[in-house]
Amino acid sequence: AQSVTQPDIHITVSEGASLELRCNYSYGATPYLFWYVQSPGQGLQLLLKYFSGDTLVQGIKGFEAEFKRSQSSFNLRKPSVHWSDAAEYFCAVGPYNQGGKLIFGQGTELSVKP
Amino acid sequence: DVKVTQSSRYLVKRTGEKVFLECVQDMDHENMFWYRQDPGLGLRLIYFSYDVKMKEKGDIPEGYSVSREKKERFSLILESASTNQTSMYLCASGRALATNEKLFFGSGTQLSVL
Repeated sequence: AQSVTQPDIHITVSEGASLELRCNYSYGATPYLFWYVQSPGQGLQLLLKYFSGDTLVQGIKGFEAEFKRSQSSFNLRKPSVHWSDAAEYFCAVGPYNQGGKLIFGQGTELSVKP
Repeated sequence: DVKVTQSSRYLVKRTGEKVFLECVQDMDHENMFWYRQDPGLGLRLIYFSYDVKMKEKGDIPEGYSVSREKKERFSLILESASTNQTSMYLCASGRALATNEKLFFGSGTQLSVL
């Protein structure tokens, strides 16, 4: 079955520290992978996406993610976290021929300590 | 600026009531989606639509129906609301058959069924 797993429900990091949010997927075909962020009271906003090519993708707000096929992972990273990064982060996978129909992970809530 | 607008931010209804959640997008997108967001479960797809008057079931359609009479509007209907339908509902839109395009999300409707 197709699925996305985000093992960490809640992560707390200090401002200025590095961040890595984990995402593992189970998918029968070539995955199209996404990271979305949801700030409190807001809808989801796309951070970055991967379809093919370079396995390290850059996104908005200084985020990057690395696709590792052998590990079925698509982890999100940021070298230095800002207080404004506190939000909920969702990893998602989408099929090629069903435009926009995404399977989401459970989400990881990020708290940032001053 | 592109927009997906959900008619209500908060909604309180009683068990057994018929509930309408409205979503309007101004981007001329073919695809529209209704997701339900619950803590620890992430986003789960309820219904989606690839065109006017077309609809397809998502992963959790039970207890819900949808209507798409116009391209820009996608309504979610709870025929007889139940307490287990208390949740955050997110509407999204995207271009047709284009997985490499991002989804645009509304800010969500927090529905409480008492």
